[in-house]
Amino acid sequence: DQQVKQNSPSLSVQEGRISILNCDYTNSMFDYFLWYKKYPAEGPTFLISISSIKDKNEDGRFTVFLNKSAKHLSLHIVPSQPGDSAVYFCAASAHDTGTASKLTFGTGTRLQVTL
Amino acid sequence: NAGVMQNPRHLVRRRGQEARLRCSPMKGHSHVYWYRQLPEEGLKFMVYLQKENIIDESGMPKERFSAEFPKEGPSILRIQQVVRGDSAAYFCASSPLRVNTGELFFGEGSRLTVL
Repeated sequence: DQQVKQNSPSLSVQEGRISILNCDYTNSMFDYFLWYKKYPAEGPTFLISISSIKDKNEDGRFTVFLNKSAKHLSLHIVPSQPGDSAVYFCAASAHDTGTASKLTFGTGTRLQVTL
Repeated sequence: NAGVMQNPRHLVRRRGQEARLRCSPMKGHSHVYWYRQLPEEGLKFMVYLQKENIIDESGMPKERFSAEFPKEGPSILRIQQVVRGDSAAYFCASSPLRVNTGELFFGEGSRLTVL
């Protein structure tokens, strides 16, 4: 039962353009959403997050949008840079479980930013 | 400030042997989490520990797997009688307290290969 889904396994974007990574979830108990970035042979690193009480959070080139009614979130990277090439994982947590740090991850989207 | 340290980075075991993976959290962090990433999948929660306590082990397989975080020393994930299906990347993460938002600091992972 995949509660967090990233339906695009890969995405290729030209340098300078916008990258849009999508994520869908099924568990309505999720109330906090995060994006992690992962390079090969390294651990995931936290990128940006959003609480369910918001619909947008911005941090520099990265913006996360949340549509609760559609149970959908997206990560926008603009402008995209070659160093952004990595695997991006969407993750979610539910405070009511009592263990909010028990993250549920999607399967990841491999972003390649081309010159 | 050193990050989360995991060792070994790579471990090869034959079926039936034992695997021990170690994790030293970031300085000042007393909460440790173990996640497993099978090939082509996202990270899956295994266990959440504080010093000398297992808080949530709902993601741990019922048999052969155990985890501890002693008062002194690193956290250890132990897999007894390994099978080929245990081949995966095992990531440890830490946080300074019971994280309410799920922002965890991950190590670089230990890659277990079972022959």
